Amino acid sequence: AQSVTQLGSHVSVSEGALVLLRCNYSSSVPPYLFWYVQYPNQGLQLLLKYTSAATLVKGINGFEAEFKKSETSFHLTKPSAHMSDAAEYFCAVSGGSNYKLTFGKGTLLTVNP
Amino acid sequence: KAGVTQTPRYLIKTRGQQVTLSCSPISGHRSVSWYQQTPGQGLQFLFEYFSETQRNKGNFPGRFSGRQFSNSRSEMNVSTLELGDSALYLCASSFRNSGPQETQYFGPGTRLLVL
Repeated sequence: AQSVTQLGSHVSVSEGALVLLRCNYSSSVPPYLFWYVQYPNQGLQLLLKYTSAATLVKGINGFEAEFKKSETSFHLTKPSAHMSDAAEYFCAVSGGSNYKLTFGKGTLLTVNP
Repeated sequence: KAGVTQTPRYLIKTRGQQVTLSCSPISGHRSVSWYQQTPGQGLQFLFEYFSETQRNKGNFPGRFSGRQFSNSRSEMNVSTLELGDSALYLCASSFRNSGPQETQYFGPGTRLLVL
């Protein structure tokens, strides 16, 4: 069984500040981890994914995430927030023979000017 | 390359009716998965189709069904609609040839409102 916990349903930062969105996972098989972003009235867009090739993963729009097995975490960061980063972010896990994505509840990111 | 398309984008139905949603995957993708998104439950997996066969199913009642055609297009059907079926229904496509680390590409969704 797999599950994802996203700590903080709402995170608010100032423009130019560090963005940190937290994701912890549980998986009985080696996990593959994904971060998706959803803008209002749109579908999900992949930001980055961990596929065991490297623990530090760089994605689009300046985001990156680090896989820490000992902490079962895959937190998403961006050094400097931009107004256009305001959206909802979802962490997801898959693994084993299971192609389905199990999502966390999401974190709504607000960026203040 | 065209992305995943879903039709219709918006739908209003009344309780007891049935509804069919359509999803056209990215060209070459043979797997289509469906997810339900609600404010209360978040994103939940409904089912996945690959080569016209259901490969995986989530924990939803039998009122939710789907199918996939030979051109990989997929439909999902919800019968006897309930108020709680109001949601954004997302479909996602992938090649399904290199394991669960494959990226799933999502469509814009169909927003269903049940009155």
